[in-house]
Amino acid sequence: AQSVSQHNHHVILSEAASLELGCNYSYGGTVNLFWYVQYPGQHLQLLLKYFSGDPLVKGIKGFEAEFIKSKFSFNLRKPSVQWSDTAEYFCAVKTAGNNRKLIWGLGTSLAVNP
Amino acid sequence: EAQVTQNPRYLITVTGKKLTVTCSQNMNHEYMSWYRQDPGLGLRQIYYSMNVEVTDKGDVPEGYKVSRKEKRNFPLILESPSPNQTSLYFCASQLAGDHNEQFFGPGTRLTVL
Repeated sequence: AQSVSQHNHHVILSEAASLELGCNYSYGGTVNLFWYVQYPGQHLQLLLKYFSGDPLVKGIKGFEAEFIKSKFSFNLRKPSVQWSDTAEYFCAVKTAGNNRKLIWGLGTSLAVNP
Repeated sequence: EAQVTQNPRYLITVTGKKLTVTCSQNMNHEYMSWYRQDPGLGLRQIYYSMNVEVTDKGDVPEGYKVSRKEKRNFPLILESPSPNQTSLYFCASQLAGDHNEQFFGPGTRLTVL
């Protein structure tokens, strides 16, 4: 069955530390990839997405993600985190032909200490 | 302002008392969906709708109903709520197309006693 795996369930960092959150999926065909963020008490919003072209995608608030097809991965990165990045991060994968269903990872909770 | 709205935002009810959570979007999106979010389980899709009068079950549809009589509205109905439906519910909408992201409502926190 198709699935999305986020390896880190909880991450704690200090401000200015670098961040990398892992996301792997199990599907051999074409995919569209998304990272969403949920700030405390708020709804989910899109950070960035990839569907074709340059595998290094830049999103809002200094986040970026790299699609590595051979590794079935779409890891999220930020060179220097801030306290305001404290949030839950979700990776989601939309498989081609399954147009309107996203397969979600379980999320990674990030806490950034000031 | 483009948005997805949900009402109510918070609801405490008792077992068996029918309730409806409304969802409305003003972006003319074809696709709408309901999710529930529970600790450790992430987001799970309850029902979705690809357009007016077209709905289908998601991963956890038991105990829920939906309807899509108009493009902008997608209410979630709990005919006989039970405590295991205590959760945070999100409605989302999306323009048709693989590349398009979903836009989420603010969430409804439901407690069933």
